[in-house]
Amino acid sequence: DSGVTQTPKHLITATGQRVTLRCSPRSGDLSVYWYQQSLDQGLQFLIQYYNGEERAKGNILERFSAQQFPDLHSELNLSSLELGDSALYFCASSVASGGGETQYFGPGTRLLVL
Amino acid sequence: GENVEQHPSTLSVQEGDSAVIKCTYSDSASNYFPWYKQELGKRPQLIIDIRSNVGEKKDQRIAVTLNKTAKHFSLHITETQPEDSAVYFCAATANTGNQFYFGTGTSLTVIP
Repeated sequence: DSGVTQTPKHLITATGQRVTLRCSPRSGDLSVYWYQQSLDQGLQFLIQYYNGEERAKGNILERFSAQQFPDLHSELNLSSLELGDSALYFCASSVASGGGETQYFGPGTRLLVL
Repeated sequence: GENVEQHPSTLSVQEGDSAVIKCTYSDSASNYFPWYKQELGKRPQLIIDIRSNVGEKKDQRIAVTLNKTAKHFSLHITETQPEDSAVYFCAATANTGNQFYFGTGTSLTVIP
């Protein structure tokens, strides 16, 4: 157990809908990262937050957005869902913002868009 | 930005043999190189990492080597066991950056 929690574990929804994925970082970690992993694909970096502020953006679609709250948990919002958005979504956390910090991954949320 | 390439994409070895996975990176500023193991449907788990001030690091059957001049690093697993079967990802990042750059993964199968 990495100490990073994600809810829900599974999510099934329909095209066009909106969902929210939640992540709680390890105690003491200030950075949260979001990744998308499609079937048989690698980890695609979406976005990073540090202590409530956006720090880095990767290949995140405009239909997706995220935020980090004062208690440091983070939410990833996916809207106007398409079939291709079906994937495993991981969040990871690290102590600081610098790239040299070890990232610890949560168990992931499996999203299925029908 | 950084570009990390990982080879091979699939690897099958007999139980007890060694496995080697190689990654190259492009950004000379990268100075932290973790390796993650991901079992089917589970989270990536850090198995070993190395920083640029070290050329080699070992943890029991797992070792990582780094060649900064050539910009490549490798994962070595000795005496492989069936439970080593998983997908392995390398990554590179720099202290000054905020993003991890992951390789595309190597699916390792250890045949009993």
